[in-house]
Amino acid sequence: GIQVEQSPPDLILQEGANSTLRCNFSDSVNNLQWFHQNPWGQLINLFYIPSGTKQNGRLSATTVATERYSLLYISSSQTTDSGVYFCAVERTGSEKLVFGKGTKLTVNP
Amino acid sequence: EAGVVQSPRYKIIEKKQPVAFWCNPISGHNTLYWYRQNLGQGPELLIRYENEEAVDDSQLPKDRFSAERLKGVDSTLKIQPAELGDSAVYLCASSLVGSFGANVLTFGAGSRLTVL
Repeated sequence: GIQVEQSPPDLILQEGANSTLRCNFSDSVNNLQWFHQNPWGQLINLFYIPSGTKQNGRLSATTVATERYSLLYISSSQTTDSGVYFCAVERTGSEKLVFGKGTKLTVNP
Repeated sequence: EAGVVQSPRYKIIEKKQPVAFWCNPISGHNTLYWYRQNLGQGPELLIRYENEEAVDDSQLPKDRFSAERLKGVDSTLKIQPAELGDSAVYLCASSLVGSFGANVLTFGAGSRLTVL
């Protein structure tokens, strides 16, 4: 099956700092989503981004499908950004969304 | 609009006991998923329904797990008998394929199972 690798596995920031999270995948995809799992376990969809660039407030994401990677940018981080960020992809021709292992982000005040 | 509703939120049972989880998807979402998330890992798909048909159950351990989605709305996931290794969070999600074919999942809060 498709492989999804996220980096870094852990990231600690001071409030106000910027960060970039990376997701590499091993095959062509027709679906890529970024999720945030808060400390209470709730998974929230951040972006549906199989290609191109999107922005939502302090968050933006870019997927370069031809090079099989996606980036999630967090600017001016806040303590509420803490949690685990997951990348999930669906290989072209499949209808199965496969998750990476996540990046655990801790934002300190 | 109500989100995906799951119950119970927490369940503690002894091994070999049965357990059941319930999910009510977002109204109008025809696709429903059950995922399992082990500690420190990403969610892994157990089963996917389109309406009342299970279209992908290849990852469901069928010797002890069963699922149903009657009338294409609510779904239940059952484990009988539970084993220690079943301790995990069981997540339900639903989706509606949009006009551009986007399959965006919305997750419930999850059911945390502890098997003693």
